Amino acid sequence: QQQVKQSPQSLIVQKGGISIINCAYENTAFDYFPWYQQFPGKGPALLIAIRPDVSEKKEGRFTISFNKSAKQFSLHIMDSQPGDSATYFCAAKEGADGLTFGKGTHLIIQP
Amino acid sequence: DAGVTQSPTHLIKTRGQQVTLRCSPKSGHDTVSWYQQALGQGPQFIFQYYEEEERQRGNFPDRFSGHQFPNYSSELNVNALLLGDSALYLCASSRPGQPQHFGDGTRLSIL
Repeated sequence: QQQVKQSPQSLIVQKGGISIINCAYENTAFDYFPWYQQFPGKGPALLIAIRPDVSEKKEGRFTISFNKSAKQFSLHIMDSQPGDSATYFCAAKEGADGLTFGKGTHLIIQP
Repeated sequence: DAGVTQSPTHLIKTRGQQVTLRCSPKSGHDTVSWYQQALGQGPQFIFQYYEEEERQRGNFPDRFSGHQFPNYSSELNVNALLLGDSALYLCASSRPGQPQHFGDGTRLSIL
């Protein structure tokens, strides 16, 4: 049973555009929702994270939007750059538990 | 300040063999989690160690076992290797209530 569903599987965006990746979860006990960025040959690196008591969090060009009633959250990358080309994973966890990851989105930013 | 370090970076084994992977957490971190990432998939939680004890376990068979040492470093052991165990094995460390930081993983190939 996949507890975190991520879409799209792949995404191509023009330089300067907005990249949007969506995730939906099932477990209402989840209380922490991070996004990770992974480059080939590297481990995932934390980008930004949110807790369900807020609906939006912004750090630089990265914004998480969170909809608790719909059990959905999304990552927006503003002014997307070629260096943002990577695989992005949403994740969720409850308390001190391990992270449950989505299947990932392969993002390509075209110059 | 060194981040999470894992060794070895690559490993080739044959079916039925046993393997030990090692992880040194980021300085100041006392919790270590292990994940398995199959090619093209998101990481899957194997187990988490805190105070030298397994605190939580994901949906993995008991062929997967681990250990945490007094200096917080950790080992992942896999017995009776199967072809399906070929994957990137990631270690993440954290302090309680803080984000998990990942190493770059050990790429395990089973022939």
